[in-house]
Amino acid sequence: QSALTQPRSVSGSPGQSVTISCTGTSSDVGTYNSVSWYQQYPGKAPRLMIYGVSKRPSGVPDRFSGSKSGNTASLTISGLQAEDEADYYCCSYADSYTRFGGGTKLTVL
Amino acid sequence: QVQLQESGPGLVKPSEALSLTCTVSGGSMSDKYWSWIRQPPGKGLEWIGYVYYSGFANYNPSLKSRVTISVDTSKNQFSLRLDSMTAADTAVYYCASDDYGNYPHWGQGTLVSVSS
Repeated sequence: QSALTQPRSVSGSPGQSVTISCTGTSSDVGTYNSVSWYQQYPGKAPRLMIYGVSKRPSGVPDRFSGSKSGNTASLTISGLQAEDEADYYCCSYADSYTRFGGGTKLTVL
Repeated sequence: QVQLQESGPGLVKPSEALSLTCTVSGGSMSDKYWSWIRQPPGKGLEWIGYVYYSGFANYNPSLKSRVTISVDTSKNQFSLRLDSMTAADTAVYYCASDDYGNYPHWGQGTLVSVSS
């Protein structure tokens, strides 16, 4: 079972918007609305940022938004801030187990 | 606020089994799922498996033959056993609350190295 496909890195300047894609298959992202996104700083545990494709847990800024089209989910961060520099992982339910993406390193220029 | 804390050895010999425990505080384990997730150094996340409070467990097919996850609600703990460890199993191991495939609460993680 291959990991979901994410770009290895993306970058943006403060104030800009960036989008991170997460491509799966019809067996995971394409079928289930159970896509989540996690932010991880070096040496720290991941933090849930988006669940159910587009829902934000309490405390997550509304600059973070999620969407899905076909087999690809996306995380968009608008009004980029220096503190957003981190690794981001997508995750999808897939027929009784869950699958993570390989991770994307976001650099704030 | 639910808090989780992993405990167990930081070093395991090749071919031996890993045993880790996760202690849950700040909430009940009832009617909930609990997962183990790992991350090799410099690499991505991998879901290992989950256990329901009743004891039902489900595992990643790639690890299914070597994994056992169990729960002890009287102690507010759940545990991971991974048999036949190799260097490829060196990773930070996280326990997490599992909300139908979403992971809202995580332990801080524990690094497990496999070496003789």
